[in-house]
Amino acid sequence: AQKVTQAQTEISVVEKEDVTLDCVYETRDTTYYLFWYKQPPSGELVFLIRRNSFDEQNEISGRYSWNFQKSTSSFNFTITASQVVDSAVYFCALSDHNYGQNFVFGPGTRLSVLP
Amino acid sequence: GAVVSQHPSWVICKSGTSVKIECRSLDFQATTMFWYRQFPKQSLMLMATSNEGSKATYEQGVEKDKFLINHASLTLSTLTVTSAHPEDSSFYICSARWRVTDTQYFGPGTRLTVL
Repeated sequence: AQKVTQAQTEISVVEKEDVTLDCVYETRDTTYYLFWYKQPPSGELVFLIRRNSFDEQNEISGRYSWNFQKSTSSFNFTITASQVVDSAVYFCALSDHNYGQNFVFGPGTRLSVLP
Repeated sequence: GAVVSQHPSWVICKSGTSVKIECRSLDFQATTMFWYRQFPKQSLMLMATSNEGSKATYEQGVEKDKFLINHASLTLSTLTVTSAHPEDSSFYICSARWRVTDTQYFGPGTRLTVL
């Protein structure tokens, strides 16, 4: 069975601080996808990244960066120089390779960036 | 990009009434759509998988007679909450799978409040 764990329920940081959101996953599949989504108070899920299990390269997109380590089954997300607009719930998710089905969300981490 | 819409975005109804929520893929064909439910401060939980032209597959614990799903076309799936009760109040999110990109695209969600 697939499972995603986000051990941090809530995090509060002061603006301009860096923050890392942890994600640990479990799967028996050799091919799978990992995702991060942002859910602001409006509720709509905002897609941030998708990573294929064969691509372990870290990725940077502006202030966002992701560290994928297969050896520890982790896919951590770092926000550099956080801003108030980053305040949201962030979900890590896992799906198998069957055309994106069997989608499992982690419990989410609520990030509050204080001015 | 692939866009998924939901209608209505929010609905308030009386206990015992039925509510229909529509999920549309606006610029792509979706052979498979998914319905999720999210209670306050919780993660998204998959309710059912809807395949065009066939019966939906429900997750364990989800009452198929209460949550009727119809996927009549490649761009539309509907979720009908029958005889809604206050405990059905939740945020319902649909997603549509696009085989071309091998991933799911999420709708903006529908907030249901049953009085």
